[in-house]
Amino acid sequence: EAGVAQSPRYKIIEKRQSVAFWCNPISGHATLYWYQQILGQGPKLLIQFQNNGVVDDSQLPKDRFSAERLKGVDSTLKIQPAKLEDSAVYLCASSLAGVTDTQYFGPGTRLTVL
Amino acid sequence: QQQVKQSPQSLIVQKGGISIINCAYENTAFDYFPWYQQFPGKGPALLIAIRPDVSEKKEGRFTISFNKSAKQFSLHIMDSQPGDSATYFCAATHERGDNNNDMRFGAGTRLTVKP
Repeated sequence: EAGVAQSPRYKIIEKRQSVAFWCNPISGHATLYWYQQILGQGPKLLIQFQNNGVVDDSQLPKDRFSAERLKGVDSTLKIQPAKLEDSAVYLCASSLAGVTDTQYFGPGTRLTVL
Repeated sequence: QQQVKQSPQSLIVQKGGISIINCAYENTAFDYFPWYQQFPGKGPALLIAIRPDVSEKKEGRFTISFNKSAKQFSLHIMDSQPGDSATYFCAATHERGDNNNDMRFGAGTRLTVKP
């Protein structure tokens, strides 16, 4: 079974630039999550999709972050404009359906904002 | 945001020893407590999980102990091996009718098992 794919793996940008991350979940998984993991901290949920609808985006900084899930499969997370404090690993995860279904994480995208 | 407190921040154990990582939570509505293992450059992977209707769950060398009244749970790794060297995260969430994921992670424990 193929895992969750993410790209790019690494990204370095200047502050105020924009950046986008891509995620391809495990086939058949209805729920997709984006997490932000700052160095030395646990992952923090940014947004959760159920199929192509947003279930929870309460912790997404909507003034600069946006996300979409096209046709209930792939997803992109965008930051525009980036700030220094956005430097983190952005993890995508997927699960079959509910919150207590196992979440499978991708390898993450490490973002450095200079 | 921080509703799950994890300790210690780092842990060094000799091969064959027992590794113990502790977590405490605040929200009494939490009813699902997973542990994740993360190797460098990889995403977290589910290791073991427990619900509050049991006080202990064991899978191989990994055991979760759960104390509902104290709002604490811990991970025990028996016969620790160098391959167990990784960062471990506890987490907590609760099922809600709307399927929202309110998963809260601890800050992580970096475990090093010395050969």
